[in-house]
This record gives sequence, C-alpha cells and structure tokens, in this order.
Amino acid sequence: AQRVTQPEKLLSVFKGAPVELKCNYSYSGSPELFWYVQYSRQRLQLLLRHISRESIKGFTADLNKGETSFHLKKPFAQEEDSAMYYCALRPSGGAQKLVFGQGTRLTINP
Amino acid sequence: GAGVSQSPSNKVTEKGKDVELRCDPISGHTALYWYRQSLGQGLEFLIYFQGNSAPDKSGLPSDRFSAERTGGSVSTLTIQRTQQEDSAVYLCASRRGGPGAGSEEFFGPGTRLTVL
Repeated sequence: AQRVTQPEKLLSVFKGAPVELKCNYSYSGSPELFWYVQYSRQRLQLLLRHISRESIKGFTADLNKGETSFHLKKPFAQEEDSAMYYCALRPSGGAQKLVFGQGTRLTINP
Repeated sequence: GAGVSQSPSNKVTEKGKDVELRCDPISGHTALYWYRQSLGQGLEFLIYFQGNSAPDKSGLPSDRFSAERTGGSVSTLTIQRTQQEDSAVYLCASRRGGPGAGSEEFFGPGTRLTVL
C-alpha cells in the first residue's frame, strides 16, 4: 500500500531562518512525488514536482530513494510562505490518484 | 481563464438527507478527481474519471457515495443518507490528458459540507 507521512502537523520558524518540511513515503515502485501548498483562503495548488527538479518561490525538494524521503527546503523563510503544505505521491502504473500526507501548517514569525 | 469551479461553496444538511455536489472542470480537461479533506485527516481520494473509461471508484468510503460525469465535463458527487462523519471539504480537481511531465491537477475551491 502507498503511504505518505508528514511527521510535523505544525512548524513555526522565524523570518529569514531556514525551513525544512519533512515527507517520507512508502511505495515499492517508482512514484512521482509532489508538494502542494494551500495559502489562507486560496485553493490547493501545485508547488513543485520531483521530475521537474526546479526551484519554485525559493523552495526545492530532492527525492531520496534510499531514505524514501522528499523533504521540502528553503534557505531563508519569508512571511508569505505561511501556509498549509501537503506532500503527495502518484503511484506508477495504472493508478492515477494522488496519495496525500496529512499536511504541515507552516507559520513564519516576523 | 476560468479554473475549476464547484457549487455550492457551503452546504449544511441534516443527518439522513441526500446531497449533491457539483464540479465544473477546466474546459478540455479529460481527467477529473474528487477528494475529501477532513479535519486532521489530510486529503483522501474518492473517485477518478478519465475520458470515456470506467471510473476508478476505489476511494469511495461506502455505497452511500456515488458520482457521475456527464458528457465528459460536469461531475456530480452524491451522498445519500448523510452521516455526521461525512462532514468535510469536498475538493474537485481536473487535469489535461494523462499523467506526464507537463500534466498537473488543478483544484477547485471546494464544497464545505456540514451534516448536523
């Protein structure tokens, strides 16, 4: 079975500090991994995906197959980064659904 | 352009009543999903439609839940004999074609369902 675990429900850091949101997954194949973000009173939107290997809004995430992790990082947090972040996995093969973690609420303190 | 829209935005109903939730996907998107977002539970997959293929209903929690997609566009999620545990935000998402490097799900604003 596929599972995504985000161990921190809440994370609070100061502006300018580094931030890391943890994501671990359980899947026997080669999944696609994603980070989604939901800002206050906005809809859920894609932040980044591992196959693109890009940096969005200063965030990066590296897929570590050995540790089955896909942690989201940003070297210098900004107040506008405060939001709910969800890690998600799409299994390879026929299943097209996204399997989401429970989410981490990130708060950036001024 | 217009994104995914959902209606109603809020629905309050009494236990035992039936409800219908509507999703209008982005024009031209062949894939449509329903997810449920419960407090403290994250997002849970419910059902997936792709073109004219049989839908993937593997996430529907009980036979009280059903969904249709008419003409490959609008979808309705129906919950019969609602229970208090059905209270959640129901999210719809659409995607152009199959999965791939350029394929991304776009989510609607959700319908907040409260069962009293």
